[in-house]
Amino acid sequence: DIQMTQSPSSLSASVGDRVTITCRASQDIGNYLAWYQQKPGKVPKLLIYGAFTLQSGVPSRFSGRGSGTEFTLTISSLQPEDAATYYCHKYKTAPPTFGQGTKVEFK
Amino acid sequence: QVQLVQSGAEVKKPGASVKVSCKASGYTFTAYYIHWVRQAPGQGLEWMGWVNPNSGDTNYTQNFQGRVTMTRDSSIRTVSMELNRLTSDDTAVYYCARDRARGQLAYYFDYWGQGALVSVSS
Repeated sequence: DIQMTQSPSSLSASVGDRVTITCRASQDIGNYLAWYQQKPGKVPKLLIYGAFTLQSGVPSRFSGRGSGTEFTLTISSLQPEDAATYYCHKYKTAPPTFGQGTKVEFK
Repeated sequence: QVQLVQSGAEVKKPGASVKVSCKASGYTFTAYYIHWVRQAPGQGLEWMGWVNPNSGDTNYTQNFQGRVTMTRDSSIRTVSMELNRLTSDDTAVYYCARDRARGQLAYYFDYWGQGALVSVSS
């Protein structure tokens, strides 16, 4: 199975900061990479698929980049409602696998 | 609007079975695969398998082979996941989630059920 590794596992930032999360795949996955946001006690929400395509309704401060084995999720200006755990997700073929998550908190 | 509404929390003893249901509304039920994903307390997301609501075909990840059964009842727009021989390691929130691609498998998910907590304890 393809392993997905995120870094950092957690980060602390301030409102307005630019935040970047990295996800590495153990094999080339092309652009088949999605990002989810999960707030405490809530359901995961699809943010980005195809490595960089925003799901409908997702604010433009979220962006994704990368292909192959290295990907990033960037929040250009962190907002209070962005406090959450973010997961990368390799898809297209079974089994789909998730990164371990990156928890974004406020200083 | 698209909704997936799951059955409620369950408390089970080790060795027992649990069945979680997921009722779909707001879209053509047979057009989208449904996946099951679980999340242990404080942990990440683990994909379990899928069911095709049109054909009833299923595919399970190896970790659950022989222990999980996913079914659908098109007459009531409901899919279900039954997990047998429960252990404490199966304590988790179980989610149903709709595949984003219509009529095919993409293995990523645009709508999720609210989750069902299954607690396994003696």
